[in-house]
Amino acid sequence: GNSVTQMEGPVTLSEEAFLTINCTYTATGYPSLFWYVQYPGEGLQLLLKATKADDKGSNKGFEATYRKETTSFHLEKGSVQVSDSAVYFCALSPDNDYKLSFGAGTTVTVRA
Amino acid sequence: DAGVIQSPRHEVTEMGQEVTLRCKPISGHNSLFWYRQTMMRGLELLIYFNNNVPIDDSGMPEDRFSAKMPNASFSTLKIQPSEPRDSAVYFCASSYPGQGAVFGPGTRLTVL
Repeated sequence: GNSVTQMEGPVTLSEEAFLTINCTYTATGYPSLFWYVQYPGEGLQLLLKATKADDKGSNKGFEATYRKETTSFHLEKGSVQVSDSAVYFCALSPDNDYKLSFGAGTTVTVRA
Repeated sequence: DAGVIQSPRHEVTEMGQEVTLRCKPISGHNSLFWYRQTMMRGLELLIYFNNNVPIDDSGMPEDRFSAKMPNASFSTLKIQPSEPRDSAVYFCASSYPGQGAVFGPGTRLTVL
């Protein structure tokens, strides 16, 4: 079946540090891949997406590249801010379905 | 667009009572999802609809849970009777092919 595995947290960083959150997936065909962010007390927001191999999604300084050869979609940001403190979810949607499968989420805390 | 609208935002009820959660998806989105989020289990997909038809309800915990989508602009998730272990944040999300799901703000349910 389809599944997503992301690195366990929590992750604690200092401001301006480099952030990487690993995400790997298992799926048949060519799924679409997503990163969602959930700020404290809020719902999930779509952060970025990629719909085919080698696509790079980017938003708010975050980037992730769809790597089919390694079945990965790692999230990166070069210089984090306190406001980036949140829970980050990796997700996939199969190419023949709308159903989203989410990873367990990674809690990121950025300290000033 | 006002985004996905959920009501109520908070619900406190006593064990055994019926609870109805409501969702208005984004106009034009043809898929709708109900998720439950808890600290212990993370984000769980309960059911999803495509063009108002339930496609996959394998995540519905038990017969106490039911969901309907009578038209493209409205869905309900009902729990009858409610139990303390149903306490969670329930999210509704809607999507359009390839766009990723847009989540509502959630309903925080507390069953005493």
